[in-house]
Amino acid sequence: KQEVTQIPAALSVPEGENLVLNCSFTDSAIYNLQWFRQDPGKGLTSLLLIQSSQREQTSGRLNASLDKSSGRSTLYIAASQPGDSATYLCAVMIQGAQKLVFGQGTRLTINP
Amino acid sequence: GAVVSQHPSRVICKSGTSVKIECRSLDFQATTMFWYRQFPKQSLMLMATSNEGSKATYEQGVEKDKFLINHASLTLSTLTVTSAHPEDSSFYICSARDLVGASYNEQFFGPGTRLTVL
Repeated sequence: KQEVTQIPAALSVPEGENLVLNCSFTDSAIYNLQWFRQDPGKGLTSLLLIQSSQREQTSGRLNASLDKSSGRSTLYIAASQPGDSATYLCAVMIQGAQKLVFGQGTRLTINP
Repeated sequence: GAVVSQHPSRVICKSGTSVKIECRSLDFQATTMFWYRQFPKQSLMLMATSNEGSKATYEQGVEKDKFLINHASLTLSTLTVTSAHPEDSSFYICSARDLVGASYNEQFFGPGTRLTVL
């Protein structure tokens, strides 16, 4: 059974810092891995999607890497801003079943 | 870009009533849609996979007679919570998969529906 773990569960840093969020998964048979952002009481905003054949994806200040063999992904946020405060969710799409399995999320707070 | 809408965004109902939530893919066709439930401060849990023109596939532990799913067209899936009880209060989120184009296999999420059962 695929399990997705995110560390840390919560993170609070001052504005301007670079930071890394971690995601690990137990089964490397995945189609892709996706990072989402969720603001309180809101739906999900897709940030980056990495196909299983890719190693990383970049969008603006965000960079996500994928090491499928070790079952790990990281989301790097450069020059953090208060507007980056949200919960970040990592999810993997299981091969065959085409289902997304989510981690518990990292609640990020950027202090001005 | 691919947009998924949900209606209503928020609903409050009395215990014992039924509530219908709609999920629509606005600018693409989705043969498969997914329904998730999220309790406060928890992650999303897949409830069921909705396939156009056929029966939904439910995850283990999800009562199919309580959570009725209908996917009658390529752009609309509905989730009906029957005989709702306070423990059904949750945030329900749908997603749709675009099987055509560059976003193959990517799921696009709706904004969610907050259900409160009194």
